[in-house]
Amino acid sequence: RKEVEQDPGPFNVPEGATVAFNCTYSNSASQSFFWYRQDCRKEPKLLMSVYSSGNEDGRFTAQLNRASQYISLLIRDSKLSDSATYLCVVSKTDSWGKLQFGAGTQVVVTP
Amino acid sequence: NAGVMQNPRHLVRRRGQEARLRCSPMKGHSHVYWYRQLPEEGLKFMVYLQKENIIDESGMPKERFSAEFPKEGPSILRIQQVVRGDSAAYFCASSPGTKATGRTEAFFGQGTRLTVV
Repeated sequence: RKEVEQDPGPFNVPEGATVAFNCTYSNSASQSFFWYRQDCRKEPKLLMSVYSSGNEDGRFTAQLNRASQYISLLIRDSKLSDSATYLCVVSKTDSWGKLQFGAGTQVVVTP
Repeated sequence: NAGVMQNPRHLVRRRGQEARLRCSPMKGHSHVYWYRQLPEEGLKFMVYLQKENIIDESGMPKERFSAEFPKEGPSILRIQQVVRGDSAAYFCASSPGTKATGRTEAFFGQGTRLTVV
């Protein structure tokens, strides 16, 4: 079983619509959680950290469910520029420099 | 403040040659991480280094791969006697290493795409 699992998609989303997807992680010792964005195999860029209480950054909302060991990302009012692969990333505090990436969920926003 | 700089961006090597990939971290960052991304797969952690020290190399293949981060100069990921399966994108990330804050935010370079022919 992979340590971080994501639905690869693609999620085809009309512009202006809402899309949400999850990621599950297997290691209950994971302490830090992030969503990164990767465009066309370029470098990953941090989208947002995910906190236990859930957090929002503009049109993006992230939730963490420790009991079920999953993280979610919701994108509201999708823009064409949101088309990308979204990478779920987890890290254990004791080896915090070591990030574990999911394979990514592809989102395609269409006009 | 320049970001994480990797070079070369693209590298073509014949089977059996050596590949040297360089990474200069962001200014003020003393922690460097190397990741490999195979086609259609996620990034896989390889090694974590601080200046002159390897902290965690649990993701490094046992043979042919080595990494260093000298006191002066960039971090180097070295692959000896490359094989076709080494073809991948190699990303370097750096972090200021603020363990006290618990933050693990890392900034990535643009990657080196290695093609072994």
